[in-house]
Amino acid sequence: GQQLNQSPQSMFIQEGEDVSMNCTSSSIFNTWLWYKQDPGEGPVLLIALYKAGELTSNGRLTAQFGITRKDSFLNISASIPSDVGIYFCAGPYPNTGNQFYFGTGTSLTVIP
Amino acid sequence: GAGVSQSPSNKVTEKGKDVELRCDPISGHTALYWYRQSLGQGLEFLIYFQGNSAPDKSGLPSDRFSAERTGGSVSTLTIQRTQQEDSAVYLCASSRAGTFTGELFFGEGSRLTVL
Repeated sequence: GQQLNQSPQSMFIQEGEDVSMNCTSSSIFNTWLWYKQDPGEGPVLLIALYKAGELTSNGRLTAQFGITRKDSFLNISASIPSDVGIYFCAGPYPNTGNQFYFGTGTSLTVIP
Repeated sequence: GAGVSQSPSNKVTEKGKDVELRCDPISGHTALYWYRQSLGQGLEFLIYFQGNSAPDKSGLPSDRFSAERTGGSVSTLTIQRTQQEDSAVYLCASSRAGTFTGELFFGEGSRLTVL
């Protein structure tokens, strides 16, 4: 199946620090999505990107759709304890309609 | 409630037994997805239902896995002759028909433990 690789796999940062993570694909994607999963919960959509080069913000979160359409980046500024969780990139596998694939995830721990 | 509802939230079973996991999607959402999340892993696509179309079963790992969606609403994921490697959280998600925003609404999942 489609492989979406995320890095880093895990991060341990101090509260107030900025965070950067990325996602790469072996295929071109036309839509890139970023989700967050809190412990014991299902993932929740954070940001959606629909155009190569697009840069979109949602509060302290900023995501970019890579020019090659094979990657995407998520940045979190001034991290706070509630940012803890697992962040997933996702996208619809080309020519499969709405079949969404999820990345391997980046686990974020924020140390107060 | 107004969200995706899954049951049971936790299921412990013995190897070789059959299990059924239920998903009640958000009212009006015609697209329904099942994913599997093993400990510390990402979400593995299992199956996708869209309205009355034939489901996309390409992610089901073996013929022990099957899923139905009755009346375009509630879905049941069945795992026959469970194995220890089936232990995982099974997540269900739904979305509106005709939209391509990626707004999948997830339930809290059903945690399956096979002893």
